[in-house]
Amino acid sequence: DAKTTQPPSMDCAEGRAANLPCNHSTISGNEYVYWYRQIHSQGPQYIIHGLKNNETNEMASLIITEDRKSSTLILPHATLRDTAVYYCIVRVEAGNTPLVFGKGTRLSVIA
Amino acid sequence: DVKVTQSSRYLVKRTGEKVFLECVQDMDHENMFWYRQDPGLGLRLIYFSYDVKMKEKGDIPEGYSVSREKKERFSLILESASTNQTSMYLCASRLHPVNYGYTFGSGTRLTVV
Repeated sequence: DAKTTQPPSMDCAEGRAANLPCNHSTISGNEYVYWYRQIHSQGPQYIIHGLKNNETNEMASLIITEDRKSSTLILPHATLRDTAVYYCIVRVEAGNTPLVFGKGTRLSVIA
Repeated sequence: DVKVTQSSRYLVKRTGEKVFLECVQDMDHENMFWYRQDPGLGLRLIYFSYDVKMKEKGDIPEGYSVSREKKERFSLILESASTNQTSMYLCASRLHPVNYGYTFGSGTRLTVV
């Protein structure tokens, strides 16, 4: 599986867009980028995933560069409840191997 | 929505006790997982199960065993609890075999004294 690199922590002002980067320079052609987040004292929660096209859902947008070596998760209007650890994971769409969670990025949304 | 329920939110056990952590999911998911989470170490996979009566070792299975007698229930067993097993334990399930849509429980914080 491709390895990912994320900054350990970031701050964002409430109401502003939070842009969380992820580098995955060794990604393979059939590997997707998945984002999960973990709010304090809860289990991780799935946010979004994508292959090469940009994706948007009710929670966030995912922008993947054309060469697919990096991506950005965008929370368009961050709220205090978005304070969490965000995990970027690269993996094929379906398979038997369980997800492996790295250390992620700790996002602090500040009032 | 899929619900993954872990039987206890907080648990305190004594060294040497046999400990059962229970996890139940209500959406007929084939796959279930047990992770533990410790500060600075992230989530680490202990055991997982693709289907009833099936189990696979994860990255840190030592000191643990699992049981999956019914599809909806996946139990983690600490055969003889030790203080280094004090941790947050998280159960998850997913619809086989897709990697999106893992659903986690709220976790059990186990303290072994």
